[in-house]
Amino acid sequence: DARVTQTPRHKVTEMGQEVTMRCQPILGHNTVFWYRQTMMQGLELLAYFRNRAPLDDSGMPKDRFSAEMPDATLATLKIQPSEPRDSAVYFCASGLAPRGPNEQFFGPGTRLTVL
Amino acid sequence: RKEVEQDPGPFNVPEGATVAFNCTYSNSASQSFFWYRQDCRKEPKLLMSVYSSGNEDGRFTAQLNRASQYISLLIRDSKLSDSATYLCVVNPWGDNNNDMRFGAGTRLTVKP
Repeated sequence: DARVTQTPRHKVTEMGQEVTMRCQPILGHNTVFWYRQTMMQGLELLAYFRNRAPLDDSGMPKDRFSAEMPDATLATLKIQPSEPRDSAVYFCASGLAPRGPNEQFFGPGTRLTVL
Repeated sequence: RKEVEQDPGPFNVPEGATVAFNCTYSNSASQSFFWYRQDCRKEPKLLMSVYSSGNEDGRFTAQLNRASQYISLLIRDSKLSDSATYLCVVNPWGDNNNDMRFGAGTRLTVKP
């Protein structure tokens, strides 16, 4: 049963600390998305990769956020320095384009709390 | 204006009721439309695609009105297990590139 995995599932940290979130997309998927979800804003797209190349990171605050895909099986989202307003659930999703089903498969999310 | 707008609800309905959710999208060139379901503290999952002619999957019916840029989801004979947040999703591009725009969701609670 292929799934997107994310680590850690929960993270509590103090303001100013670096946070790294990891995602393993479904094997063979070539598109990876990072989203942030809060009650107020809903699901916001932060960044989007195709074949490991960043295609769109316009939704990401560039001064403190960075997203990378060191290889096809790992995507990372880093926040440095973290702030209380970054508290949210961060989802990674993967898909296969253009030949796969037009669907995104989500990981379980990382619940981040910044104190 | 947000790309995809939904009534946030919450909708509280008794078991067996019929409930409908609406969604509007801003990009008239959008080609693909979906409803995702998100259970409390879980990730979103695809519920169903929305086709131009309208489509049905069991108790769920999805409709698309391109002229009005409007999508709907109808749930008949609602069950307790239908309680969730329903996300309207639009792919604004012409090809299957997986890039989606998500609405903020409509929360449904089905009560006994």
